[in-house]
Amino acid sequence: GAGVSQSPSNKVTEKGKDVELRCDPISGHTALYWYRQSLGQGLEFLIYFQGNSAPDKSGLPSDRFSAERTGGSVSTLTIQRTQQEDSAVYLCASSFGRQETQYFGPGTRLLVL
Amino acid sequence: EDKVVQSPLSLVVHEGDTVTLNCSYEVTNFRSLLWYKQEKKAPTFLFMLTSSGIEKKSGRLSSILDKKELFSILNITATQTGDSAVYLCAVVSGTYKYIFGTGTRLKVLA
Repeated sequence: GAGVSQSPSNKVTEKGKDVELRCDPISGHTALYWYRQSLGQGLEFLIYFQGNSAPDKSGLPSDRFSAERTGGSVSTLTIQRTQQEDSAVYLCASSFGRQETQYFGPGTRLLVL
Repeated sequence: EDKVVQSPLSLVVHEGDTVTLNCSYEVTNFRSLLWYKQEKKAPTFLFMLTSSGIEKKSGRLSSILDKKELFSILNITATQTGDSAVYLCAVVSGTYKYIFGTGTRLKVLA
């Protein structure tokens, strides 16, 4: 596609429920990143994929968070048993190979009540 | 611990003014420094800097990196209301780890 797309754009959920956030990177981009931005805060790196592999998952905040990428394209970030502190904008970015220029999607705004 | 610090946190100027935004960093295995503009949700890429002393320019925006003193500046000349945004600085450590500052919120008044 022309750019990185994310869905849903907004998600409101109840505490304890699971949510799935989706990212469609730019076609041909092999690197994919997930970030979280809480209100008034900087971006927090969560996880990076090169192809379908995530060499480092240490950025994930807890074991309630998981991510996968299939076919070297679409990625899903799953948050289980959501907590109020998970409320944030979740941003996905992709880049071609390991070039540093990342292109961001519009984000998913998650609100956990 | 790796960190990126931006200053000022916020800035209000009038159209036509020139602004300088600062980014200092302490990271292991520095690879590059990037500047982004964030108006709503998604940051947009401005510059990538890897070498000291080489200025990058794009229209009214310019940026330079000092790897000895571990900082970068982003200059915007003849500011316009459309420049109002949060400007983010990020440092790439190693091959994939991006460390972002909290940003500088710029507001340009007409």
